[in-house]
Amino acid sequence: AQKITQTQPGMFVQEKEAVTLDCTYDTSDQSYGLFWYKQPSSGEMIFLIYQGSYDEQNATEGRYSLNFQKARKSANLVISASQLGDSAMYFCAMRVVFPSKLTFGTGTRLQVTL
Amino acid sequence: EAQVTQNPRYLITVTGKKLTVTCSQNMNHEYMSWYRQDPGLGLRQIYYSMNVEVTDKGDVPEGYKVSRKEKRNFPLILESPSPNQTSLYFCASSLTPLVHINEQFFGPGTRLTVL
Repeated sequence: AQKITQTQPGMFVQEKEAVTLDCTYDTSDQSYGLFWYKQPSSGEMIFLIYQGSYDEQNATEGRYSLNFQKARKSANLVISASQLGDSAMYFCAMRVVFPSKLTFGTGTRLQVTL
Repeated sequence: EAQVTQNPRYLITVTGKKLTVTCSQNMNHEYMSWYRQDPGLGLRQIYYSMNVEVTDKGDVPEGYKVSRKEKRNFPLILESPSPNQTSLYFCASSLTPLVHINEQFFGPGTRLTVL
């Protein structure tokens, strides 16, 4: 069975600062994908970034980067230059080949302040 | 526009009154799935479908039914809703079920309240 752990229920960060949201995972599969989703107060799930278990480079998408440490089974999301619009709930998720579902963590609520 | 649509977006109903939440995608995706989101629990999978006429239980299937008669549609049926099914429901789809790299596209969510 797969498990995702997000230990930070809430985080505060000042505008323009960088912030790291923690995510650890557990699986016995060798091939898997790690995803981060953003959920603003409006409720929709927005895909941010993906990292494959065999990818040697850390994934980056604009201001988002994924700090992937395979040996430690961690997949932390780094948001650089935080903006007020980054205030939202952030979910880490994992997908294996079978069963092909997303296993989610419990989320981290990020609040960006002036 | 490529999208997953759900209807209704909001629903308040009473215990025992059968309801259906529709989900449709226009991306010709094989894989579709339903999740429910509850505070402190993240999203949990209810049912999924690998293709037409192929469905299977997720982590929390009790009290729900699904069907996949057409590739684009994957309705969620609550035969006799109960208050513990009050939740935010998401439908999601992805191109294929067989590789882990496929991003899942989510619908906008359906907020259900069962009184």
